[in-house]
Amino acid sequence: GAVVSQHPSRVICKSGTSVKIECRSLDFQATTMFWYRQFPKQSLMLMATSNEGSKATYEQGVEKDKFLINHASLTLSTLTVTSAHPEDSSFYICSARAADRGNNSPLHFGNGTRLTVT
Amino acid sequence: GENVEQHPSTLSVQEGDSAVIKCTYSDSASNYFPWYKQELGKRPQLIIDIRSNVGEKKDQRIAVTLNKTAKHFSLHITETQPEDSAVYFCAAVTGYSTLTFGKGTMLLVSP
Repeated sequence: GAVVSQHPSRVICKSGTSVKIECRSLDFQATTMFWYRQFPKQSLMLMATSNEGSKATYEQGVEKDKFLINHASLTLSTLTVTSAHPEDSSFYICSARAADRGNNSPLHFGNGTRLTVT
Repeated sequence: GENVEQHPSTLSVQEGDSAVIKCTYSDSASNYFPWYKQELGKRPQLIIDIRSNVGEKKDQRIAVTLNKTAKHFSLHITETQPEDSAVYFCAAVTGYSTLTFGKGTMLLVSP
């Protein structure tokens, strides 16, 4: 149980284009999903917290107009990297916690998306 | 906000030896401490977790200890195997479920 599906796993796009990444909780409902960014050999950096039916909460230094988050249902959150640039190239990972579990319960991660902007 | 420090950044051991990774946290309100294992290019996988009302938890070769007074917690892996080689992240959760990760420890187990 507790499977989080993330697509695509890899994407290569040209500079200036936008890329959408989907994160789905397959067998549980998630009122909150989290989006992380990971550079090579570094830790996961929380970008934003996605709340179903409301605006996402962005961490300091993360541009909300560049990284658009939509959490339209209890099982789907999307991250859109707008006007991508080479410096946006990174590994993006989503995670979710079951809505009926408390804060002291595990996060389940998607497989991640390797974004390369040329 | 919460700050999690993790040491060492790299750890090399011989197969069969024990490995210990230590983390400290700054926010005394943190009450949940998961550990994740991440293989290259893959997602983090939860391997063990501990809540603030428990001092120690064990699952086969893996154990975690928590010292709330000192605000530190540790991961212990006994009888290490080559397949234990990966990056390990500690994390702390405070209040509204925000997860703060340590910087990670690259564990290399040599046969």
